[in-house]
Amino acid sequence: RKEVEQDPGPFNVPEGATVAFNCTYSNSASQSFFWYRQDCRKEPKLLMSVYSSGNEDGRFTAQLNRASQYISLLIRDSKLSDSATYLCAVNGGGGYNKLIFGAGTRLAVHP
Amino acid sequence: DGGITQSPKYLFRKEGQNVTLSCEQNLNHDAMYWYRQDPGQGLRLIYYSQIVNDFQKGDIAEGYSVSREKKESFPLTVTSAQKNPTAFYLCASKKTETNTEAFFGQGTRLTVV
Repeated sequence: RKEVEQDPGPFNVPEGATVAFNCTYSNSASQSFFWYRQDCRKEPKLLMSVYSSGNEDGRFTAQLNRASQYISLLIRDSKLSDSATYLCAVNGGGGYNKLIFGAGTRLAVHP
Repeated sequence: DGGITQSPKYLFRKEGQNVTLSCEQNLNHDAMYWYRQDPGQGLRLIYYSQIVNDFQKGDIAEGYSVSREKKESFPLTVTSAQKNPTAFYLCASKKTETNTEAFFGQGTRLTVV
């Protein structure tokens, strides 16, 4: 079983849609969780950290469920500019500061 | 400006040759990472280092080697033992605290012919 698994993509949605991505992790000792955005042929950049209480940044909401070992990302009112690959990342499991990424979920927002 | 720099951006090598990818950061980060990304795939961890003169294997370390002689530098050598080395290689660094974000270099695209 992979340490971090994500929903397979791609997700093709119209502008204005709400889309949700899930990510599961296998190591219950994992300590920190993140969502990164990666544009085509570019390096990943942090979208948001994921806190136990859940957190929101504009149209983006991240949630953590430690009991079920998954994190989620909700994007509301999708924009064309949201088209990218979204990667979840988990830190601290299997070795202090071992930062593991999921395979990524590609989102395509169309007019 | 502070940041993390990978060089070169594109690299071509003949099969059977070792090649070293450079990664330098001036962010004063202790932890550094090397990932490999294949088309349409996520990031797979090759090696990581939490402190100078120490590093650990990631999930796909076979055919790769690293060194961490200086805090700022974490070069990756792709050896001839790596059976399919053509890929996009990304280096990242972060503070030691686990809840801090990792910053990435712009990556090196390695093509072995």
